[in-house]
Amino acid sequence: AQTVTQSQPEMSVQEAETVTLSCTYDTSESDYYLFWYKQPPSRQMILVIRQEAYKQQNATENRFSVNFQKAAKSFSLKISDSQLGDAAMYFCAYRRGGATNKLIFGTGTLLAVQP
Amino acid sequence: EAQVTQNPRYLITVTGKKLTVTCSQNMNHEYMSWYRQDPGLGLRQIYYSMNVEVTDKGDVPEGYKVSRKEKRNFPLILESPSPNQTSLYFCASTSTGGTDTQYFGPGTRLTVL
Repeated sequence: AQTVTQSQPEMSVQEAETVTLSCTYDTSESDYYLFWYKQPPSRQMILVIRQEAYKQQNATENRFSVNFQKAAKSFSLKISDSQLGDAAMYFCAYRRGGATNKLIFGTGTLLAVQP
Repeated sequence: EAQVTQNPRYLITVTGKKLTVTCSQNMNHEYMSWYRQDPGLGLRQIYYSMNVEVTDKGDVPEGYKVSRKEKRNFPLILESPSPNQTSLYFCASTSTGGTDTQYFGPGTRLTVL
């Protein structure tokens, strides 16, 4: 069975600095997708970034980028120039390829941004 | 505006009193899911549906029922709620496969006394 592990329950970063959130996963599939979701205090689930496993290039969305290490099954999220609005719970999620919509989530990392 | 709506947003009930949480999407998506979120456990899939009249169990289906009579609606039914079903519930929908964005509803906070 696939699993997703986030080993950092809480992280803290100073405003304008860079922080990296860790995520590892376990799967025997070759076709899959990885996601980072942000959950602010409003509880809304917001997609931050996504990565297709077959793509070697790391995904980037403005200040958010990932370090996808397929062999190591690692998928970390880097937030550059952190802003107060980045404070939230961040979830790493896995979805296998094919006809499924099931996301397998990690337990989350609560990010605090210090002014 | 593309969206998933859930009702109610907050619900406090008592053990054994049947309840339904509604979910509706306006994007003509085939796939819909229900998740529950608990502290320290992340989100876990309860049930999912791949199309009208096609539903199947997720990882934590015990104590829940679903139906998919129309493409846009996917209600979650708790026939006899118990305190261990106190949780935050999310409905989600997506088109078929790939990296298609999964749209989440705003969440329903359920407390069972």
